Amino acid sequence: DSGVTQTPKHLITATGQRVTLRCSPRSGDLSVYWYQQSLDQGLQFLIQYYNGEERAKGNILERFSAQQFPDLHSELNLSSLELGDSALYFCASSPGAVDNEKLFFGSGTQLSVL
Amino acid sequence: AQTVTQSQPEMSVQEAETVTLSCTYDTSENNYYLFWYKQPPSRQMILVIRQEAYKQQNATENRFSVNFQKAAKSFSLKISDSQLGDTAMYFCAFMNPPGGSEKLVFGKGTKLTVNP
Repeated sequence: DSGVTQTPKHLITATGQRVTLRCSPRSGDLSVYWYQQSLDQGLQFLIQYYNGEERAKGNILERFSAQQFPDLHSELNLSSLELGDSALYFCASSPGAVDNEKLFFGSGTQLSVL
Repeated sequence: AQTVTQSQPEMSVQEAETVTLSCTYDTSENNYYLFWYKQPPSRQMILVIRQEAYKQQNATENRFSVNFQKAAKSFSLKISDSQLGDTAMYFCAFMNPPGGSEKLVFGKGTKLTVNP
């Protein structure tokens, strides 16, 4: 168990809908990362938050947004869903401490857009 | 931008034997971190091993060890005494040096099958 909690584990929805994925980082970790894993694109970095503020942005679509709350949990919002958004979405967390950075991953949310 | 290349899409090995997975990367940085992650059929991403670029000594974790060749930008993973539970996708990943984002850049993975 990595200590990173993601909910829900599975999500089935229709095109055009909006969903929210939730992540609770390991205790004490300040950084949260979101990744998308699909067969054709592999593991793609979406966005990183550090202590409530956006730190880095990757290949995140404008239809997607994220935030990190004061209690450090994070949410990834996906809107106007398309079939191609079907993927496994991972959250990861890290301490944010220099020289000892390791990312610990949650078990992922499998999103199916029908 | 950093890139990570894993040239072996699939590999197989007999139980108890040794296998080496290859990884190369491209960066202009001098200090950075390299990782191997394992993703078994459960799809959980599990950290296998970590290497700091400023350390010449290769990292080891039990049956897992790396061969880090900084000049060649090569970072291979050796699994000794392979076990059935080692069957998984293995991803090589790169992390920028401290001071920037600690995001990981992943290779496309190598699917390893350990045969009984």
